[in-house]
Amino acid sequence: GIQVEQSPPDLILQEGANSTLRCNFSDSVNNLQWFHQNPWGQLINLFYIPSGTKQNGRLSATTVATERYSLLYISSSQTTDSGVYFCAVERGFGNEKLTFGTGTRLTIIP
Amino acid sequence: DTAVSQTPKYLVTQMGNDKSIKCEQNLGHDTMYWYKQDSKKFLKIMFSYNNKELIINETVPNRFSPKSPDKAHLNLHINSLELGDSAVYFCASSTPPTDTQYFGPGTRLTVL
Repeated sequence: GIQVEQSPPDLILQEGANSTLRCNFSDSVNNLQWFHQNPWGQLINLFYIPSGTKQNGRLSATTVATERYSLLYISSSQTTDSGVYFCAVERGFGNEKLTFGTGTRLTIIP
Repeated sequence: DTAVSQTPKYLVTQMGNDKSIKCEQNLGHDTMYWYKQDSKKFLKIMFSYNNKELIINETVPNRFSPKSPDKAHLNLHINSLELGDSAVYFCASSTPPTDTQYFGPGTRLTVL
């Protein structure tokens, strides 16, 4: 099956800092989503971004499908950004499933 | 107005028991899923239903049986619970064209 690797596995930053999270995948995809799991366990969908760039407030994401990677940018980090960020991909050949990466644990220190 | 809800939120039970987790979505989505998140936070799909029809069944022991009475509900019944079943189980739903997935709050199952 498709492999999804995320880096770094852990990231500790001061409040106000910027960060870049990376997702590499081993095959062509037609679906890529970024999720945030907050410290209470809730999984929130951040972006659907199989290609191109999207922005939502302080968060933005870019996927370069031809080079098989996606980046999630968080600017001016806040403590509420803490949690685990997951990338998930799907190849899309009928009845496919989302395969999740192992996540990046982000801790924002006040 | 919860979009995807699950009950119960916590479930503590003894080995060998049978338990069920219920999921409901009010988003009008066609597809619903069950995921298992282990202690290392790894998320893996277990089942997917589209309009009450099973479309994905990963390599899951047949002690796990999903049931979809209608497209807004997907329940998970687990027979003869084992220690290794302890995990957080998430329900999710999605709809074309993007299949953006919306997750429920999770059910933390602890088998003693």
